[in-house]
Amino acid sequence: NAGVMQNPRHLVRRRGQEARLRCSPMKGHSHVYWYRQLPEEGLKFMVYLQKENIIDESGMPKERFSAEFPKEGPSILRIQQVVRGDSAAYFCASSPPRPAETQYFGPGTRLLVL
Amino acid sequence: DQQVKQNSPSLSVQEGRISILNCDYTNSMFDYFLWYKKYPAEGPTFLISISSIKDKNEDGRFTVFLNKSAKHLSLHIVPSQPGDSAVYFCAATETDKIIFGKGTRLHILP
Repeated sequence: NAGVMQNPRHLVRRRGQEARLRCSPMKGHSHVYWYRQLPEEGLKFMVYLQKENIIDESGMPKERFSAEFPKEGPSILRIQQVVRGDSAAYFCASSPPRPAETQYFGPGTRLLVL
Repeated sequence: DQQVKQNSPSLSVQEGRISILNCDYTNSMFDYFLWYKKYPAEGPTFLISISSIKDKNEDGRFTVFLNKSAKHLSLHIVPSQPGDSAVYFCAATETDKIIFGKGTRLHILP
């Protein structure tokens, strides 16, 4: 049973470009979470999605960031017009329905904005 | 405003001794408390959790203690092994999201 998969593992973008981060949850998991880790910080919750629904996006920046989890295919975290401050590691986690402590994390995508 | 605080950025412990990692929190409504371990270039791996209604949970070499009145929890690793060298994140659940501390880097010395 493959774990949570994220791609790309590393992504380099210039300021103003778009970044698309993908996450494939573990088989049988229908809940996906995105977290961001800035340098020297802990992981910060961004958004929680179920298939075709955003459940909680309280951690998402109000502009430029969006997330989706379509009926088919991976979850996508999209960052438009990236800025240097978006450079971070972005982790995806998945879980079966409740409890939250069974969130399994992917290896992360490291985004570098030049 | 940090709801989960790990005040020690790093800790060094001799192999074979006990490692004690500490964590404080501010929100008395947290349901579960968790410890995650993270190696460089990997995602966090779940280690052990404790429900807010318990004060101790043990799993092999890992024991987590919860002191609700002090809003404090700790992770004990005994005996410490070289493979335990990693960053340890204390975390708590609030509905469906996990709130993480900043982490403590544990070095196990030979």
